[in-house]
Amino acid sequence: EIVMTQSPATLSVSPGERATLSCRASQSVSSNLAWYQQKPGQAPRLLIYGASTRATGIPARFSGSGSGTEFTLTISSLQSEDFAVYFCQQYNDWPLTFGGGTKVEIK
Amino acid sequence: QVQLLQSGPGLVKPSQTLSLTCAIAGDSVSSNSAAWNWIRQSPSRGLEWLGRTYYRSKWYNDYAVSVKSRITINPDTSVNQVSLQLNSVTAEDTAVYYCARDLERGTYFENWFDPWGQGTLVTVSS
Repeated sequence: EIVMTQSPATLSVSPGERATLSCRASQSVSSNLAWYQQKPGQAPRLLIYGASTRATGIPARFSGSGSGTEFTLTISSLQSEDFAVYFCQQYNDWPLTFGGGTKVEIK
Repeated sequence: QVQLLQSGPGLVKPSQTLSLTCAIAGDSVSSNSAAWNWIRQSPSRGLEWLGRTYYRSKWYNDYAVSVKSRITINPDTSVNQVSLQLNSVTAEDTAVYYCARDLERGTYFENWFDPWGQGTLVTVSS
């Protein structure tokens, strides 16, 4: 099973600042990586697939990069609605696995 | 716009069967390009894919090894919904359960999920 490790567990950022979230795979997943955003009491929402392709309706301030085992989600200028938990998911191999999440909180 | 609306009991007794449904609006459970998945989330296990059903001239199911002996996912074409049944539940099955769509492009599934249902917290307790 591919283990997905996200860091940091919590990221404190001021509104308007840049946030950089990391996701590491225990073995290569090529570019078969997705990112989701989850707000309290809500379901995850797809942000990025293919490591770098924004899903429909996702603002341009969200960007994804990386391949192989190292991936990054960048939020260029945090808005109030971006404070949430972010998960990565690999879909290169079965079983599909998710990271433990990074909580982005207001500094 | 596809919307998934979940329903079902929030409390199940140990050893009994967990049953949830996911009503699909804006797409068809019999779509030739979609799969309908169940995923759960708990503090101890994180996000865990449980299984899916899809129609390609006939119905297919795939299940996670961890629950394969206890899980059934069925489509109901008469009401355009998909159901989840998980037998012999224990406290370890306490989680928020989500249904979610996956799309097939070409000859393979994308295996990422969009959209998701609103989630149902299921507690296993006597």
